Amino acid sequence: KAGVTQTPRYLIKTRGQQVTLSCSPISGHRSVSWYQQTPGQGLQFLFEYFSETQRNKGNFPGRFSGRQFSNSRSEMNVSTLELGDSALYLCASSEQGPGDTQYFGPGTRLTVL
Amino acid sequence: QQQVKQSPQSLIVQKGGISIINCAYENTAFDYFPWYQQFPGKGPALLIAIRPDVSEKKEGRFTISFNKSAKQFSLHIMDSQPGDSATYFCAAKKSGNTPLVFGKGTRLSVIA
Repeated sequence: KAGVTQTPRYLIKTRGQQVTLSCSPISGHRSVSWYQQTPGQGLQFLFEYFSETQRNKGNFPGRFSGRQFSNSRSEMNVSTLELGDSALYLCASSEQGPGDTQYFGPGTRLTVL
Repeated sequence: QQQVKQSPQSLIVQKGGISIINCAYENTAFDYFPWYQQFPGKGPALLIAIRPDVSEKKEGRFTISFNKSAKQFSLHIMDSQPGDSATYFCAAKKSGNTPLVFGKGTRLSVIA
């Protein structure tokens, strides 16, 4: 099976802009989770989607949002970008949820100038 | 409030030596404790995991030791190799569809 894919791999934006990141989970996986990874904070949970519904949400401002489509592909959106949003954004998929093994994609490196 | 505290931040070990990374947690409701390994340019990958009904789990050169009373768990890498050089994350979660909570990571360098 193909692994988790994320597009784009790299992105450069300026403050105030918005960005959309995409994640395609492993075939058959219905749960998609998103994480923000920064050198100082490690991996921080953003949200989890299952069957097109947000099932869990981390402690991030409302500028961070996501959605999941009927084919389990997911997107996350960050509006009004801030310098502090520069990070590696990781997507992970699993069959039913975080209790199953999560398989991570390679991430999207977002740089905000 | 950091729910999972990981130490050390970085670790340098000689080839053939033992690498030890420690994690401590506060929430006694956690019942699943995985370790992830991340190489540069890649996403984290599950390495080994343990549940609190056992005190130790071994897979090849990798061992998790779990101390429920102390709320601590650790990863031991025996006979460390340069190919083990990576960032390691411990994590924990409660039962059900709850998210993983990660430690801040340990960058391991194994030198020849």
